[in-house]
Amino acid sequence: AQSVTQPDIHITVSEGASLELRCNYSYGATPYLFWYVQSPGQGLQLLLKYFSGDTLVQGIKGFEAEFKRSQSSFNLRKPSVHWSDAAEYFCAVGVPFGNEKLTFGTGTRLTIIP
Amino acid sequence: NAGVTQTPKFRVLKTGQSMTLLCAQDMNHEYMYWYRQDPGMGLRLIHYSVGEGTTAKGEVPDGYNVSRLKKQNFLLGLESAAPSQTSVYFCASTPPGGFQPQHFGDGTRLSIL
Repeated sequence: AQSVTQPDIHITVSEGASLELRCNYSYGATPYLFWYVQSPGQGLQLLLKYFSGDTLVQGIKGFEAEFKRSQSSFNLRKPSVHWSDAAEYFCAVGVPFGNEKLTFGTGTRLTIIP
Repeated sequence: NAGVTQTPKFRVLKTGQSMTLLCAQDMNHEYMYWYRQDPGMGLRLIHYSVGEGTTAKGEVPDGYNVSRLKKQNFLLGLESAAPSQTSVYFCASTPPGGFQPQHFGDGTRLSIL
């Protein structure tokens, strides 16, 4: 079965600083990989996804993620964070022929300080 | 366009009581999902449905039942609520094929005393 690990429970960065959130997956082949964001009191919103091809994918709100097969990683990055990026971020994995089911990581809470 | 609507938004139950959470989507999506979100555990899939009249178990189905009598609605039932079911419940929907984005509701916060 597939699994996802987000090793950082909570990260604090200064506004304007760069950001990298870590995600590692476990699956026998290349899965479908996703990053979702959850603002307080709301549901999740898709930031970006990777299926195949170019290993650097661009998403909404200026986020990008890089798939590294050798490290089983799919880390999320942003060059310069804004106060509105404060939220919880979830990495997720899906597998082919799995009825579109997703397995989510435990999330990373991002705090932005002025 | 409402998207995915969950009813109610908050509820407090006593142990042993029953209740039904309603999820309604107006996007004509085939697939619907119920998750629970607990601190430090992310989202875990309870049950899901790939079409009207079909349901299947997810990762944590015990203590819950579901029904999908109409394509737009996906109901989650707790027959005899337990404190361990205190959680935030999210419904999501998506069209089939190609891992389209899942559209989430805003959640139902449920407390079992």
